[in-house]
Amino acid sequence: NAGVTQTPKFQVLKTGQSMTLQCAQDMNHNSMYWYRQDPGMGLRLIYYSASEGTTDKGEVPNGYNVSRLNKREFSLRLESAAPSQTSVYFCASSELPPRGNSPLHFGNGTRLTVT
Amino acid sequence: DQQVKQNSPSLSVQEGRISILNCDYTNSMFDYFLWYKKYPAEGPTFLISISSIKDKNEDGRFTVFLNKSAKHLSLHIVPSQPGDSAVYFCAASEGDKIIFGKGTRLHILP
Repeated sequence: NAGVTQTPKFQVLKTGQSMTLQCAQDMNHNSMYWYRQDPGMGLRLIYYSASEGTTDKGEVPNGYNVSRLNKREFSLRLESAAPSQTSVYFCASSELPPRGNSPLHFGNGTRLTVT
Repeated sequence: DQQVKQNSPSLSVQEGRISILNCDYTNSMFDYFLWYKKYPAEGPTFLISISSIKDKNEDGRFTVFLNKSAKHLSLHIVPSQPGDSAVYFCAASEGDKIIFGKGTRLHILP
């Protein structure tokens, strides 16, 4: 049982390049999330999708776009990467909107460096 | 504006003793509070949660206490073990969103 799978694990981009971070879950969860983790900043919510067909902005959405491709997959796109987007990106999913006994399940992250 | 605050970046505790991790929040609309644990190079994993209508929840060595009037919660780990060394994130949910604190790094000393 793979859980939440993120690809790639590592990526180096030059300023201005674009890329898509992929995330897939095999737990039949309805809700999916993208977070970024920066030193001293904790986990910050970029975008989320409460159910298939819906997406909403989180705390730090600028510079990103998302696509909920189907129930399993939720991708994060950087159209024009900037050094400030150097971070570790985590995808997560939950069975229901995460209230109490429906916790988030996280992937192992994508470490992105923008030079 | 930080809605979930963990004011201690790190904490060292002797093995076998109690570890107490603290968290404050500002949004009275949060309906659940959760604790996650994170090891290096891995994603966070869920530890324990508490509903805003309760004041205590216990699961084995882990207990979470909620003081709504003070907008404060704490995670107690008793007894602390070497495998508890990790970063602990406090989180709070409102509707479809979960907001995380900055984390506290817990070191368990031999």
